[in-house]
Amino acid sequence: AQSVAQPEDQVNVAEGNPLTVKCTYSVSGNPYLFWYVQYPNRGLQFLLKYITGDNLVKGSYGFEAEFNKSQTSFHLKKPSALVSDSALYFCAVRENTGFQKLVFGTGTRLLVSP
Amino acid sequence: GAVVSQHPSRVICKSGTSVKIECRSLDFQATTMFWYRQFPKQSLMLMATSNEGSKATYEQGVEKDKFLINHASLTLSTLTVTSAHPEDSSFYICSARDSPQRVEQYFGPGTRLTVT
Repeated sequence: AQSVAQPEDQVNVAEGNPLTVKCTYSVSGNPYLFWYVQYPNRGLQFLLKYITGDNLVKGSYGFEAEFNKSQTSFHLKKPSALVSDSALYFCAVRENTGFQKLVFGTGTRLLVSP
Repeated sequence: GAVVSQHPSRVICKSGTSVKIECRSLDFQATTMFWYRQFPKQSLMLMATSNEGSKATYEQGVEKDKFLINHASLTLSTLTVTSAHPEDSSFYICSARDSPQRVEQYFGPGTRLTVT
């Protein structure tokens, strides 16, 4: 079965510093990987996805993620964090069979301090 | 494009009553809709998947008689929580996809249900 792991419950970073939110995956076959962000009492907003091609994927709001097949990782990154980036971030993988549903990680709370 | 709405955004109901949550795709036809439940500070748990015109497929452990899902049209799915109890209080989120070949799912803003 497909799964993703987000090893950090929370990441703290100062505004202006680079940020990384970690995600590792376990899949059979080629992975379809996603990052979503959730603000309080809101649904999920799509940030970026990896299907195939370039290992460095650029997404919304200046975020990017690097697909690393050898390390089975898909870490989310941003060169310079903003206070407004503070939110809950979810990594997800799409199953390759059936309804091809998304399987989410446990989420990582990002806190950017001024 | 690809907007999904949910109504209501918040609802408070008394224990024993039923409440219906609507999920609409506003600018595309959703062949598949997904319903998730999210507890505070936790991840999204998939409850069920529904295809238009078909019965929903429920995840293991989800009571299908308690959480009734209807996907009667290509733009509307409803989740009815029947005989609600305080433990059903949660944040319910729907998402939609316009075709099985489409990779992306589009998420609604969520509905906060509080059962008193």
